[in-house]
Amino acid sequence: QKEVEQDPGPLSVPEGAIVSLNCTYSNSAFQYFMWYRQYSRKGPELLMYTYSSGNKEDGRFTAQVDKSSKYISLFIRDSQPSDSATYLCAMSDDSGGGADGLTFGKGTHLIIQP
Amino acid sequence: KAGVTQTPRYLIKTRGQQVTLSCSPISGHRSVSWYQQTPGQGLQFLFEYFSETQRNKGNFPGRFSGRQFSNSRSEMNVSTLELGDSALYLCASSRGQGYTFGSGTRLTVV
Repeated sequence: QKEVEQDPGPLSVPEGAIVSLNCTYSNSAFQYFMWYRQYSRKGPELLMYTYSSGNKEDGRFTAQVDKSSKYISLFIRDSQPSDSATYLCAMSDDSGGGADGLTFGKGTHLIIQP
Repeated sequence: KAGVTQTPRYLIKTRGQQVTLSCSPISGHRSVSWYQQTPGQGLQFLFEYFSETQRNKGNFPGRFSGRQFSNSRSEMNVSTLELGDSALYLCASSRGQGYTFGSGTRLTVV
């Protein structure tokens, strides 16, 4: 069983829709959770950073963490074609990355249709 | 504010050669990490440096090494290149809450 599971997609939705992206994980030591967006031929860009369980909102993005279910989500409201990218979840047991660095999901390829 | 800068952007090397990649972190960031990204394995942690010391290391062979200088700039070296080392190598810097990544160096081994 992989440490972090993420549906690779592609996930195709119409412009303006609410997008839900998810990851499950198995390591209960993870406490820091991140979402990154990666455009083709670019490095990952940090979108959201959360600690432990709960919700965090930033503009059109909302991150949710449910540690009891080992499940994290990223919601994108009013999706735009420019949101088309690969979304990666990442997590660690330490704010500084920890002994094993960040553990990433494989990424979900999101396509927003105009 | 300048981001994380990686050079070169693209490299083509022959099997058996060695390669050095460079990373300049965001000013003030003392932690620098390196990751390998491939379509099959995704992003995998190579190592992390903090104040010129390797703090953590991932599960990669000894052919992969790195160092950090007093100005926080970092280099990673891969010796005796193999075809399977073809990947996007990403550097990331941090000041404690999440990592900022560079655009990466795409290494192709032929």
